[in-house]
Amino acid sequence: EAGVAQSPRYKIIEKRQSVAFWCNPISGHATLYWYQQILGQGPKLLIQFQNNGVVDDSQLPKDRFSAERLKGVDSTLKIQPAKLEDSAVYLCASSLGGGRSNTEAFFGQGTRLTVV
Amino acid sequence: ELKVEQNPLFLSMQEGKNYTIYCNYSTTSDRLYWYRQDPGKSLESLFVLLSNGAVKQEGRLMASLDTKARLSTLHITAAVHDLSATYFCAVDSRWSAPSNYGGSQGNLIFGKGTKLSVKP
Repeated sequence: EAGVAQSPRYKIIEKRQSVAFWCNPISGHATLYWYQQILGQGPKLLIQFQNNGVVDDSQLPKDRFSAERLKGVDSTLKIQPAKLEDSAVYLCASSLGGGRSNTEAFFGQGTRLTVV
Repeated sequence: ELKVEQNPLFLSMQEGKNYTIYCNYSTTSDRLYWYRQDPGKSLESLFVLLSNGAVKQEGRLMASLDTKARLSTLHITAAVHDLSATYFCAVDSRWSAPSNYGGSQGNLIFGKGTKLSVKP
């Protein structure tokens, strides 16, 4: 079974530039998450989708971050304009979703963003 | 607001020794996960603990969950160098009340991680 795919793996941009990350979840997984992991910390949830609807985006800095999940499959996360403090690894995860037994999340390799 | 605390944050062990990593969380939840992360890599799922008293073992690692104490432990037996990594616990914030059962997917709140270094 293919895992969660993310691209690009690495990105370096200047502050105030824009950047977009792409995620393809495991086939059949209804729930998709974007997490931000700053060096030395645990992942922090940015946004959670159930199919193509947003379940939780309470910690997404909406003035600069946006995300979409068209057709309930692939997702993109965009930052515009980027700030230095956005330097982090952006992790996409997916899970089957729905029901108590289907909550285990599987993570992609992440995109390491450096803002200079 | 659900908070998850791990300790210790850094752990240096000798090969062959035993040790325990602790994960405390602040509000009711009966669903807890342990992940492993190697440097520059993503998170690998180790254990899913779904109920009070749950205990799972894989090789030299054993995880347990006490929902009444809001505590999970990850016990390492006879450590080997290959276990060197950062270990995270994560608590599902959405299964803390009967009204959530069967509802939308839970939201994982992570601890800061425990960086384990096993030395020969």
